[in-house]
Amino acid sequence: AQSVTQPDIHITVSEGASLELRCNYSYGATPYLFWYVQSPGQGLQLLLKYFSGDTLVQGIKGFEAEFKRSQSSFNLRKPSVHWSDAAEYFCAVASKSSGDKLTFGTGTRLAVRP
Amino acid sequence: NAGVTQTPKFQVLKTGQSMTLQCAQDMNHNSMYWYRQDPGMGLRLIYYSASEGTTDKGEVPNGYNVSRLNKREFSLRLESAAPSQTSVYFCASSAVGGGGEQFFGPGTRLTVL
Repeated sequence: AQSVTQPDIHITVSEGASLELRCNYSYGATPYLFWYVQSPGQGLQLLLKYFSGDTLVQGIKGFEAEFKRSQSSFNLRKPSVHWSDAAEYFCAVASKSSGDKLTFGTGTRLAVRP
Repeated sequence: NAGVTQTPKFQVLKTGQSMTLQCAQDMNHNSMYWYRQDPGMGLRLIYYSASEGTTDKGEVPNGYNVSRLNKREFSLRLESAAPSQTSVYFCASSAVGGGGEQFFGPGTRLTVL
């Protein structure tokens, strides 16, 4: 069964600092990988996705993520964080065998220090 | 397009009461999902429907029933609510072959006293 681990429950960064959120997955074949963001009181919004091809994917709001098969990782990065990035971030995985079903990590809550 | 809509936004129930959460999507998606979100546990799949007329259990189906009324609508019913069902419930939809990309509604915050 596929699984996702987000080892950091809570992260605080200063505005303007760089950000990296970690995500590790467990799945035998090539997974489909996603990052979603959830602002307080809102639903989830897709930031970016990886299906195949270039392992560095660009998303909305200046985010990017890199798929590293050797490390089973799909870490999310942003070079300069804005106060509006404060939210909860979820990594998720799907596969051809799971159809369209997603398995989510437990999330990382990001706080931004002024 | 409204995307995925959910009603109600908030609900308070007493133990043993029943209620139905409604979800509708206008993106012509075949697949629809119900999740619950609890602190520190991420989103867990309750039920899903791969197409109109079909439904399947997810990770945490106990205490819930679903109905895929038509292609647009997918409802979640709590027959006898329990405090353990206090949670935020999200509906989502996806296109077949979308590789897992799902679109989410704004959620329903349910409290069971």
